[in-house]
Amino acid sequence: QVQLVQSGSELKKPGASVTISCKASGYIFTNYAINWVRQAPGQGLEWMGLIKTDTGTPTYAQGFTGGFVFSLDTSVSTSYLQISSLKPDDTAVYYCARGRRHCTGGTCYSQHYFDFWGQGALVTVSS
Amino acid sequence: EIVLTQSPGTLSLSPGERATLSCRASQSVSSSYLAWYQQKAGQPPRLLIYGASSRATGIPDRFSGSGSGTDFTLSISRLEPEDFAVYYCQQYGTSPLTFGGGTRVEIK
Repeated sequence: QVQLVQSGSELKKPGASVTISCKASGYIFTNYAINWVRQAPGQGLEWMGLIKTDTGTPTYAQGFTGGFVFSLDTSVSTSYLQISSLKPDDTAVYYCARGRRHCTGGTCYSQHYFDFWGQGALVTVSS
Repeated sequence: EIVLTQSPGTLSLSPGERATLSCRASQSVSSSYLAWYQQKAGQPPRLLIYGASSRATGIPDRFSGSGSGTDFTLSISRLEPEDFAVYYCQQYGTSPLTFGGGTRVEIK
């Protein structure tokens, strides 16, 4: 069965860096993009961007273009989110989610929705 | 960017009642690339609906989605105890992908 398993909670000081992993299983990793979504405490969902797992090409949403890096290790079916120069405002749960291409009438498009999610990784930034 | 506005913010209903959740987009969502997710406390979101009206695998048929253009609706025909949660709509037709602010369905 499809699973995305993320690394555990992290407590970091302001200015530090953190790397979150997202290990996929149960499907061909390079057939689906990995998206990253942030959820601040008590808040809604915010799309951070995605990484295409066949090419390694990342796309970052506005607001996540500096200090955020998506990467891959296809040999272990894992995607990574690195956040540098952490600020207290970066305190959130970070989710990875598989992007499934929207298909209708036998045609599949580049647009994709999120059909499987990791369990989330809480990053707390506090001095 | 397409802004999604969900209403109401909170819906207070009893088990067995019908829930109707609204998601309005600031501009037309191309080809009905609209999804709905359910999130319970401490859990990741779960895909319910994609393409505005297609149920995801394993989703009970009491959940239905409808709408096009800028107005979309998620309906839950008869609320079960496990349906009390927060629901988010998402448009995935235009980058950046965006989510609505959520509707909390709570027990009355």
